Amino acid sequence: SQKIEQNSEALNIQEGKTATLTCNYTNYSPAYLQWYRQDPGRGPVFLLLIRENEKEKRKERLKVTFDTTLKQSLFHITASQPADSATYLCALDMFRQAGTALIFGKGTTLSVSS
Amino acid sequence: DGGITQSPKYLFRKEGQNVTLSCEQNLNHDAMYWYRQDPGQGLRLIYYSQIVNDFQKGDIAEGYSVSREKKESFPLTVTSAQKNPTAFYLCASSIDLGVRTEAFFGQGTRLTVV
Repeated sequence: SQKIEQNSEALNIQEGKTATLTCNYTNYSPAYLQWYRQDPGRGPVFLLLIRENEKEKRKERLKVTFDTTLKQSLFHITASQPADSATYLCALDMFRQAGTALIFGKGTTLSVSS
Repeated sequence: DGGITQSPKYLFRKEGQNVTLSCEQNLNHDAMYWYRQDPGQGLRLIYYSQIVNDFQKGDIAEGYSVSREKKESFPLTVTSAQKNPTAFYLCASSIDLGVRTEAFFGQGTRLTVV
């Protein structure tokens, strides 16, 4: 069955450093991969989408890479700030009986200390 | 102001009761989803719908039911057959299941069995 793994449950870094989060998947070749941010007690908020034919996508301090050979995506936050502390989820579109649905990893909780 | 609204924010259920969680969107999206999130877990797909009067089971549909009588509404009923219903429930929508864009989430309903 398809599986999505995010490398660690928690990541602690110092303010100003670059945070790198990993998402690995197996038994599937998604056309798209998405990253979301979730704050405690709230719904996830979309950050970035990257397509299989795109190697890299950037948005302000965020950068996502997508390596379909390694079946891996890396999510980077540069010049991290305490306000970046949250849980980050990766999601893949998986073909189902009727169209596709987003399937999520368990997330990585990032803590940025000042 | 466009968005997706879930209600109530908190819900308490007695053993053996059915309860219905509301999800309404005014984004004119065709696709809607229900996910369940347990502590330290990712989002698990319960049901999804691409069009009115059609919906499909996700990975953990047992003990749940849905309806899609209107494009903007996708209520979820947690039945007494669901043995462990205490969780955080998230509703989402996207333009179309076949067009890969981001999903928009509601703020969630936290269901507790008392």
